[in-house]
Amino acid sequence: EAGVVQSPRYKIIEKKQPVAFWCNPISGHNTLYWYLQNLGQGPELLIRYENEEAVDDSQLPKDRFSAERLKGVDSTLKIQPAELGDSAVYLCASSSAGLSTDTQYFGPGTRLTVL
Amino acid sequence: AQTVTQSQPEMSVQEAETVTLSCTYDTSESDYYLFWYKQPPSRQMILVIRQEAYKQQNATENRFSVNFQKAAKSFSLKISDSQLGDAAMYFCAYRWGNDMRFGAGTRLTVKP
Repeated sequence: EAGVVQSPRYKIIEKKQPVAFWCNPISGHNTLYWYLQNLGQGPELLIRYENEEAVDDSQLPKDRFSAERLKGVDSTLKIQPAELGDSAVYLCASSSAGLSTDTQYFGPGTRLTVL
Repeated sequence: AQTVTQSQPEMSVQEAETVTLSCTYDTSESDYYLFWYKQPPSRQMILVIRQEAYKQQNATENRFSVNFQKAAKSFSLKISDSQLGDAAMYFCAYRWGNDMRFGAGTRLTVKP
């Protein structure tokens, strides 16, 4: 079974430029999560999807961040414009039903560097 | 708000020895889940072990076991017979409903 796929693995951009990250969850997983992981810290949730609906985006900085999950499968996270402080690892995870009992499976993440 | 604290930023262990990683958490809930995730340099977060709070029995997975002390809100991970491949960042995580919180992590070094 294929795991959670993310691309790109690395991205370097100039500040004020836009950037997008892509995630393909495990087949059949209805719940998808985007996490932000700063250096030396644990992941922090940005947004959670149940199918194509964003059910928790309270931690997403909506002035510059946006996300979508069209058709309830793949998801894209976008930053526009990027700031220096956005340099971090962006992790995508998925689970089968979003319940407390479900295990979240993580992708390898995208390391973003903003210059 | 629920918080997860890992008080050991770094730990080291000799190959084949045993090491224990500490984790404490703060919650007013009674039914929740606790996890240990491993994150090697490849950045892939891998589930090591999970514990349901309503279960008194400590979870075990091969060389990995936990010491779950619900009253003390403590959830430590014991790695027995440490191997070089165990070297990684280890994150303790708490989940209640759809709210999942991670600790800051412990970097484990395994010395040959």
